[in-house]
Amino acid sequence: GAGVSQTPSNKVTEKGKYVELRCDPISGHTALYWYRQSLGQGPEFLIYFQGTGAADDSGLPNDRFFAVRPEGSVSTLKIQRTERGDSAVYLCASSLTLTGAGTNNEQFFGPGTRLTVL
Amino acid sequence: GENVEQHPSTLSVQEGDSAVIKCTYSDSASNYFPWYKQELGKRPQLIIDIRSNVGEKKDQRIAVTLNKTAKHFSLHITETQPEDSAVYFCAASNPLNSGSARQLTFGSGTQLTVLP
Repeated sequence: GAGVSQTPSNKVTEKGKYVELRCDPISGHTALYWYRQSLGQGPEFLIYFQGTGAADDSGLPNDRFFAVRPEGSVSTLKIQRTERGDSAVYLCASSLTLTGAGTNNEQFFGPGTRLTVL
Repeated sequence: GENVEQHPSTLSVQEGDSAVIKCTYSDSASNYFPWYKQELGKRPQLIIDIRSNVGEKKDQRIAVTLNKTAKHFSLHITETQPEDSAVYFCAASNPLNSGSARQLTFGSGTQLTVLP
């Protein structure tokens, strides 16, 4: 079946502009995560959705970053007034949220969107 | 919050030799520890994971060990092959902060190069 997809694969923008990054999770996955990966670093958690609601947005760096998931499937990460320091690969992941002993709910990652702010 | 440290940052081995990557974590409540492999320009892919109720798990040439007391876990790759060359990330998760889902805290990665 189809994996997690993200669009666009690359986005180049100018400082101060607004950008939207899209994530299509695996069908049936209720949990959706956004991470940011800077060059040479591991992914850094930004926000997690359970269904339509943001269950944990503690990783968002500041109020220029916002994410939505209005129908509990596709999610959009929105960045206002972009800065050069926002340049990174933005990764989306999705997982099931089964409960019970032995359930690990593996996170499946998308290919990422490489954002470059000039 | 959780802090995960990973060593070494780079590792070169001869084909056929073993490779070991080590990680430590800070939050004693963490109970799920996945390892991801990321090839250049590709997405991270899970290769093995372990829960805190076991000390070791093996899958063919890959094994992970966990020492809860010392709060460290390691990835072992035996009989390395050139296609094992990639960046490997460890991660830890504490479900107490996010219910049944698992916000992952990643290490900084290890660039493994297997020399033919």
